[in-house]
Amino acid sequence: QKEVEQNSGPLSVPEGAIASLNCTYSDRGSQSFFWYRQYSGKSPELIMSIYSNGDKEDGRFTAQLNKASQYVSLLIRDSQPSDSATYLCAVAKSGTYKYIFGTGTRLKVLA
Amino acid sequence: DGGITQSPKYLFRKEGQNVTLSCEQNLNHDAMYWYRQDPGQGLRLIYYSQIVNDFQKGDIAEGYSVSREKKESFPLTVTSAQKNPTAFYLCASSKQGRGDYEQYFGPGTRLTVT
Repeated sequence: QKEVEQNSGPLSVPEGAIASLNCTYSDRGSQSFFWYRQYSGKSPELIMSIYSNGDKEDGRFTAQLNKASQYVSLLIRDSQPSDSATYLCAVAKSGTYKYIFGTGTRLKVLA
Repeated sequence: DGGITQSPKYLFRKEGQNVTLSCEQNLNHDAMYWYRQDPGQGLRLIYYSQIVNDFQKGDIAEGYSVSREKKESFPLTVTSAQKNPTAFYLCASSKQGRGDYEQYFGPGTRLTVT
């Protein structure tokens, strides 16, 4: 079992729709979770961090965390073609200084 | 502007040559990291440093070396011992080397070895 799992996609959504990206993790002791956006050929860009159970909103983005289910998700409202990218989920591994990254979900927003 | 710079953006080398990738940050971050990204794979940790003059091996350190003589700088040397060096190399930093701090990435260096 991978430490951080994401569906590779592609996830295709029409412009204006809500895109829902999911991530599961295996380390039950993890406390810190991060979402990054990576455009093709570019480096990852931090979108949001989340540390507590529940929802955290920032503009069109909402991160959701459920530690009991070991599940973190990212919702993108009013999706735009410019949101088309690969979204990486990262988890800070408990007891270490390491961040474990998923392989990413490719999102395509269709105009 | 605060940020992380990596140079060069593209690097081409012949097999058997060592090559050093530069990473500089002016965010006053204590922790710095090197990752490697291959197509279709997640980021894999090569080395990390929590403080000046100290660094630890990550998951794939073989064939790589680093130094951390200054807080701002964390260069990575890809040696001839690295079997598959062609990849996208990413440097990152965080305020401290603890998982509750956000990690920020530089623009990356794409290394091609032939």
